[in-house]
Amino acid sequence: KQEVTQIPAALSVPEGENLVLNCSFTDSAIYNLQWFRQDPGKGLTSLLLIQSSQREQTSGRLNASLDKSSGRSTLYIAASQPGDSATYLCAVIGGNAGGTSYGKLTFGQGTILTVHP
Amino acid sequence: ETGVTQSPTHLIKTRGQQVTLRCSSQSGHNTVSWYQQALGQGPQFIFQYYREEENGRGNFPPRFSGLQFPNYSSELNVNALELDDSALYLCASSSGQGSYNEQFFGPGTRLTVL
Repeated sequence: KQEVTQIPAALSVPEGENLVLNCSFTDSAIYNLQWFRQDPGKGLTSLLLIQSSQREQTSGRLNASLDKSSGRSTLYIAASQPGDSATYLCAVIGGNAGGTSYGKLTFGQGTILTVHP
Repeated sequence: ETGVTQSPTHLIKTRGQQVTLRCSSQSGHNTVSWYQQALGQGPQFIFQYYREEENGRGNFPPRFSGLQFPNYSSELNVNALELDDSALYLCASSSGQGSYNEQFFGPGTRLTVL
């Protein structure tokens, strides 16, 4: 059974700081990994999708890396801003014994990020 | 391009009742997945529909059921509601059946069971 863990559970930083969020998964046979942002009580906004054959993806101040062999991904946020405050969720597709032919996302519990002015 | 929409936004029910939640997929998407997110937890996969057929199911009892319509919109039905069913229910759409496709989420329906 695929399990996803995110560290730290919560993070509070001053504005302008660069930061790293960590995600690990137990089964490396994934198809892809997706990072999401969730504002309180709201739905999920897709930030970055990394296919299993890729090592990293970048969008603006965000950079996500993937190391399948070690079962790890990191989300790097440069020059953090108060508007970045949200919960960040990591999710993977695949890695279940016997394989899956459908796109079931397995999520971590998220990292709550607070960026204070 | 219209994103994923869900209705209603909020819903309050009592234990034992039945509820239907609705989702309209993003334009061009033919796959819809449903997730349950309890407070403080990551979303849990309920099931997925591809071209009107159930295409995979998570660890949820049969009282959780669904439908997908020819226009690829979808419904989630929950019978005999329990207090633990209180959660944010999220719908996601993607194009194609494969596991490589990015999933896009709607705003969710907040269900409270009293």
